[in-house]
Amino acid sequence: DSGVTQTPKHLITATGQRVTLRCSPRSGDLSVYWYQQSLDQGLQFLIHYYNGEERAKGNILERFSAQQFPDLHSELNLSSLELGDSALYFCASSVGQIATNEKLFFGSGTQLSVL
Amino acid sequence: AQKITQTQPGMFVQEKEAVTLDCTYDTSDPSYGLFWYKQPSSGEMIFLIYQGSYDQQNATEGRYSLNFQKARKSANLVISASQLGDSAMYFCAMREGQVDNSKLTFGKGITLSVRP
Repeated sequence: DSGVTQTPKHLITATGQRVTLRCSPRSGDLSVYWYQQSLDQGLQFLIHYYNGEERAKGNILERFSAQQFPDLHSELNLSSLELGDSALYFCASSVGQIATNEKLFFGSGTQLSVL
Repeated sequence: AQKITQTQPGMFVQEKEAVTLDCTYDTSDPSYGLFWYKQPSSGEMIFLIYQGSYDQQNATEGRYSLNFQKARKSANLVISASQLGDSAMYFCAMREGQVDNSKLTFGKGITLSVRP
């Protein structure tokens, strides 16, 4: 168990809908990262938050948004969902933010299916 | 150019034998870190081993070791004494110290199957 908690584990929804994925980082970790894993794109970095502030954006669509709350949990909001958004969404956490040896600890992911 | 390249097709290894999973990387940043993660069929990503660009010795973690060849820009994972539970996808990843240092960049992964 990595100590990172993601809910829900599975989510089935329809095109055009909006969903929220939730992540609780490991105790003491200040950084939260969101990744999307799909068969065609592999693991893609979406966004990084450190202690409540956005630090970096990757390949995140404008229809997607995220935030990190004062208690350090994070939510990823996906709106106007399309079939192509179906993927496994990972949250990861780490203690700090920029050290090259910063290990990321991953949650078990949320499997999103858009029908 | 891709930053992390994992080109091996599905790999097979006999139980109790050693196996090497290849990874090459591309960066001009002198400071970087290389990681290997394991993803079993259950889906979670499990950290295995880390190698820093300035580390003089190859990293080892139990049955995992990293064959780090800096000049060739390769960071191959060696799993000794394979076990059935090693069957999984294996991802190589890199974090650069100066550019985009927020994120890990992952390769496409390699599927390893351990035969009894």
